[in-house]
Amino acid sequence: GQQVMQIPQYQHVQEGEDFTTYCNSSTTLSNIQWYKQRPGGHPVFLIQLVKSGEVKKQKRLTFQFGEAKKNSSLHITATQTTDVGTYFCAGASNTGKLIFGQGTTLQVKP
Amino acid sequence: GAVVSQHPSWVICKSGTSVKIECRSLDFQATTMFWYRQFPKQSLMLMATSNEGSKATYEQGVEKDKFLINHASLTLSTLTVTSAHPEDSSFYICSASSGLNEKLFFGSGTQLSVL
Repeated sequence: GQQVMQIPQYQHVQEGEDFTTYCNSSTTLSNIQWYKQRPGGHPVFLIQLVKSGEVKKQKRLTFQFGEAKKNSSLHITATQTTDVGTYFCAGASNTGKLIFGQGTTLQVKP
Repeated sequence: GAVVSQHPSWVICKSGTSVKIECRSLDFQATTMFWYRQFPKQSLMLMATSNEGSKATYEQGVEKDKFLINHASLTLSTLTVTSAHPEDSSFYICSASSGLNEKLFFGSGTQLSVL
């Protein structure tokens, strides 16, 4: 079945450093979504990418969707302590079912 | 943004009892709701897809007689964990979308502890 792999599992950075998490699907996706989950909280939608090669920015966050629509990345520039949490990618098949990656937990040292 | 309400937030029950969890979309009609299970520091594992007015679609390995799902209206889906056992202890979280390939709005989750 469809699998979505996400790396790294954990990342510790110093405040101000950049951070990137990568997502790779075993199948071509109709779209990919990114979510953030704070400790003790529930996932919150960040963005959806639909088009091949799409790049979207939200302030310090840059999201990319690969040309083959099988991989994606989230890059955070100059991390802040408020960026702490677990970032999940979720790949959508053409049936609409979302499969979540394992998540990358980001820790930021002030 | 859209709001999904999930109740209860936490529940402690004795082994062998059944627990019902409700998921409501408060300001939009959700034709599809999804139920996930999340273990500590792990990802969300899709358990089943709940479709309004029809039977839920369960993922491989999820017992449909154990985890009963009812989606009686466009704003309410329920998950009942029947004859709960300690291994059923987990964080259960629902989500809803307004359409195919639309973003998901998550409930706040239910932490179930079975003694």
